[in-house]
Amino acid sequence: EDQVTQSPEALRLQEGESSSLNCSYTVSGLRGLFWYRQDPGKGPEFLFTLYSAGEEKEKERLKATLTKKESFLHITAPKPEDSATYLCAVQARGNFNKFYFGSGTKLNVKP
Amino acid sequence: DTEVTQTPKHLVMGMTNKKSLKCEQHMGHRAMYWYKQKAKKPPELMFVYSYEKLSINESVPSRFSPECPNSSLLNLHLHALQPEDSALYLCASSQARDRAPDTQYFGPGTRLTVL
Repeated sequence: EDQVTQSPEALRLQEGESSSLNCSYTVSGLRGLFWYRQDPGKGPEFLFTLYSAGEEKEKERLKATLTKKESFLHITAPKPEDSATYLCAVQARGNFNKFYFGSGTKLNVKP
Repeated sequence: DTEVTQTPKHLVMGMTNKKSLKCEQHMGHRAMYWYKQKAKKPPELMFVYSYEKLSINESVPSRFSPECPNSSLLNLHLHALQPEDSALYLCASSQARDRAPDTQYFGPGTRLTVL
């Protein structure tokens, strides 16, 4: 069964304290793994698409990496404005319309 | 431009009302989605339209009725809703790519409250 697990559920960081969020997945043939950022009461904002083990993508203070079983979202020197819920989703081969979402990691960055 | 727009932003309705949510994209995407999201939960897929045809209905109650008038527009008609249907309703779109990763882009959502 296709499944996505994110950890931790919540993460508190001091401004400038780097850390990583984890997304573990079980899927019958990975077609794509996606990271989104969601602010309270708003729609998810697209961050990254990954599909090949060993792939890395960067955007400002964020870097996403992918292995055959998990993905990490590394946050370097975070700022309070990075506080949000980060969602991971996977897409399986043969079922291109459907995303399997993890339950998200709520990040709180304190000044 | 990766913008998906949704109207209205907020909607309050009684259980006997009929209302509609609207979603629009001008990215040339051929797949459009409706999701429901409750507080502190991930989005939950409701419907998928691919090339203007309904391709996925995740066993959604008939009080929710989707419509895709053309490739840019997606509606969700609401009738006789229950208070537990109160949630953030999200629209998304994607290119409908066949083999490559098919990134979904989300709209800002409609906050629905059913009294």
